[in-house]
Amino acid sequence: QVRLQESGPGLVKPSETLSLTCTVSGASVKSGGYYWNWIRQTPGKGLEWVGSFYYSETTNYNPSLKSRVSISVDTSKNQFFLRLSSVTAADTALYFCARDDFSEPYTFHVWGQGTMVVVSA
Amino acid sequence: QSVLTQSPSASETPGQTVTISCSGSSSNIGKNTVTWYQQVPGTAPKLLIHNYNQRPSGVSDRFSASKSGTSASLAISGLQSEDEADYYCAAWDDSLNALIFGGGTKVNVL
Repeated sequence: QVRLQESGPGLVKPSETLSLTCTVSGASVKSGGYYWNWIRQTPGKGLEWVGSFYYSETTNYNPSLKSRVSISVDTSKNQFFLRLSSVTAADTALYFCARDDFSEPYTFHVWGQGTMVVVSA
Repeated sequence: QSVLTQSPSASETPGQTVTISCSGSSSNIGKNTVTWYQQVPGTAPKLLIHNYNQRPSGVSDRFSASKSGTSASLAISGLQSEDEADYYCAAWDDSLNALIFGGGTKVNVL
């Protein structure tokens, strides 16, 4: 059974960089066939796809965030990461990591439970 | 304001059918498949319908989806109290070059 678990600081100061980790169990981030994604949820904007990573180091980011976002992976720890720079209060959200299938991109079959991040001084 | 438009809420009595709509445009629903998610408050979204009208293992056949032009809908038949949740549609948008979600519809079982 594939499981995803988000972790990271719950509070980030404005203008700093948000860094989150998604730890994967039951599957390998370096095996082909799956994209590894970040999605966030805010009361104001609802669900928003942030970006995705494929093991060949192919990334795809939401254009609305592209200048500030980076997704990477550590295959030795079976983890992938989100970095979002120059954060503002608008980046306060519940952040989820999720996996989709290469044959059906952007269809998220597996989700983590989510981690809340608040941007505040 | 979401690119995919959903009614904020829908209510129906147990046993009845409730239908949720998702309105988009030619750059998203008009060209690409629509996916539906169910989210119980305090939990992560759960995949409900994908690949036009496929249900993952474990999802009740009381859930069905359809699409016509630039609109899609999700029907829940034989409504049960456990169906009280938020429901989201999603589709790739060729103009925005991003996956987009609807604003969500809260289903209330009266």
